[in-house]
Amino acid sequence: AQSVTQPDIHITVSEGASLELRCNYSYGATPYLFWYVQSPGQGLQLLLKYFSGDTLVQGIKGFEAEFKRSQSSFNLRKPSVHWSDAAEYFCAVGNFGNEKLTFGTGTRLTIIP
Amino acid sequence: DVKVTQSSRYLVKRTGEKVFLECVQDMDHENMFWYRQDPGLGLRLIYFSYDVKMKEKGDIPEGYSVSREKKERFSLILESASTNQTSMYLCASSPTSGSSPYNEQFFGPGTRLTVL
Repeated sequence: AQSVTQPDIHITVSEGASLELRCNYSYGATPYLFWYVQSPGQGLQLLLKYFSGDTLVQGIKGFEAEFKRSQSSFNLRKPSVHWSDAAEYFCAVGNFGNEKLTFGTGTRLTIIP
Repeated sequence: DVKVTQSSRYLVKRTGEKVFLECVQDMDHENMFWYRQDPGLGLRLIYFSYDVKMKEKGDIPEGYSVSREKKERFSLILESASTNQTSMYLCASSPTSGSSPYNEQFFGPGTRLTVL
């Protein structure tokens, strides 16, 4: 069975600093990987996704993520965070032919001035 | 612009009441999902529907049922609400993997349900 681990429950970053949110997955074949963001009181919005090809994926709002098969990781990065990036971030994994996704438990991001 | 809508953003009900949460999508997606979101637990799948009148239990179906009479609409039913069902409920939809192998899900804004 596939699983996703987000080891950081809560991260605090200063505005303008760089950000990396960790995601590790467990799945035998090549996974489909997603990062979603949830602003307070809102639903989830897709930031980016990886299916195949270039392992560095660009997303919306200046985010990127890198797929590292050897480490079973799909970490989310942003070079300079803005106060509006404060939200909860979810990593998810799927696979070909499976209609369902498995979500991590989320990482809450706080931005300090 | 693709859209998933949920009937209520906030709902307050009493213990024992029957509760209906409605979800509508306008993307002609085959798949629809109901999740429950609780702090520290992430998203947990309650039920999944892959076609009209078809459903599959998720990880936490106890205390819930679903209905899908039309392709665009997926309802979550709490037959007798209890306080431990106080939570955020999220609906999502996706195309079937037969039409698109990339099973990205599109989410509604959520319904925050409080059971007193």
